[in-house]
Amino acid sequence: SQQGEEDPQALSIQEGENATMNCSYKTSINNLQWYRQNSGRGLVHLILIRSNEREKHSGRLRVTLDTSKKSSSLLITASRAADTASYFCATDDGPVIQGAQKLVFGQGTRLTINP
Amino acid sequence: SAVISQKPSRDICQRGTSLTIQCQVDSQVTMMFWYRQQPGQSLTLIATANQGSEATYESGFVIDKFPISRPNLTFSTLTVSNMSPEDSSIYLCSVDRGLHTDTQYFGPGTRLTVL
Repeated sequence: SQQGEEDPQALSIQEGENATMNCSYKTSINNLQWYRQNSGRGLVHLILIRSNEREKHSGRLRVTLDTSKKSSSLLITASRAADTASYFCATDDGPVIQGAQKLVFGQGTRLTINP
Repeated sequence: SAVISQKPSRDICQRGTSLTIQCQVDSQVTMMFWYRQQPGQSLTLIATANQGSEATYESGFVIDKFPISRPNLTFSTLTVSNMSPEDSSIYLCSVDRGLHTDTQYFGPGTRLTVL
């Protein structure tokens, strides 16, 4: 199975600045998702972008997808202290089974927003 | 979305013992997923659990070590058997609502420390 690689592994910025995280994957995908994890707790789904989409927005989040380069980026604009978390990309892995899709997660980026 | 609870939220266990983690969902779902997240690492899928059939394990995970039950459409358990310090991780369950959105909803996780 493929696994996304993310960079940077860690990112520390000042509140109000923009944060950009990147994800690369190895094989063809149907979609790519981004999740957030606060302090080792459960993951929260942020946004999904399909393989036929190039850019998607949700509030302060902007996701791009370049299938030719097998890469995606997550941009968080006007960062806040509450954005401090780990961010993971995830890609579909294998066929849908009984309506459910397995996911493969990237290594994650630990984002710290300094007040 | 789906509301998922896990019990216990954390535990400290002795080497050689076993721990059963419970996952409860607020709605019926076909497929449930169990993940392991080792310290500072990404999520690794342990197995998928379908109600009424045996769980399907990923490479590197076996039923004797991680037996899973799925007695109904809203509940599952994962047992970590004969634990060693290497089993110290966060264990997370998730569900796919089966709406072909590919989004997974996660429980808050169980933080396990094995001494």
